[in-house]
Amino acid sequence: EIVLTQSPGTLSLSPGERATLSCRTSQSVSSSYLAWYQQKPGQAPRLLIYGASSRATGIPDRFSGSGSGTDFSLTISRLEPEDFAVYYCQQYGSSPRTFGQGTKLEIK
Amino acid sequence: QVQLQESGPGLVKPSQTLSLTCTVSGDSISSGHYYWSWIRQPAGKGLEWIGHIYTSGSTNYNPSLKSRVTISVDTSKNQFSLRLSSVTAADTAVYYCARDVGGRYFDYWGQGTLATVSS
Repeated sequence: EIVLTQSPGTLSLSPGERATLSCRTSQSVSSSYLAWYQQKPGQAPRLLIYGASSRATGIPDRFSGSGSGTDFSLTISRLEPEDFAVYYCQQYGSSPRTFGQGTKLEIK
Repeated sequence: QVQLQESGPGLVKPSQTLSLTCTVSGDSISSGHYYWSWIRQPAGKGLEWIGHIYTSGSTNYNPSLKSRVTISVDTSKNQFSLRLSSVTAADTAVYYCARDVGGRYFDYWGQGTLATVSS
């Protein structure tokens, strides 16, 4: 199965700053079949990005995804207070579908 | 508005079978537009896809759990269910049901239900 490694484990930033989260896969992910989710404490994950760069319905344009092959990233252009959460990447190019271990984005 | 709601016992004894049901509203499982998945998350850890089912009843399971998992669907009730046999403490987790877009990503999730394996 494809292993996803997210970095950093924790990212400490202030509101208004730019955040860049990384997701590296152990094998190339076909057709950029990668998604990103946001999870807040006590809540279910929320789909942000699919197809590596397509925003899900209702997701603000400060969220953007990029990458291909084995290296992907999620960028939040200007952090809002509600953006501090845990972020997971997920690949769906190969079965079984797998998730990264998460990056915690915390307020500095 | 699509909503999913998990239900089932919160406590299961070791070696027994964990059974959960997901009730879908705002969408019809029998429409055939989506797959329907189960995903779990141990406390403080990451997410693990368990398996999915299509309206026809066809399934696909994570090989790591395949020998113990059964997912079934009841289109008359707009529900799908998870059974996980021979559970151990390692199966203690929050279990989520989710709408599965083309066997790819998950666009709607239930709130999750905690299943604890303990005697």
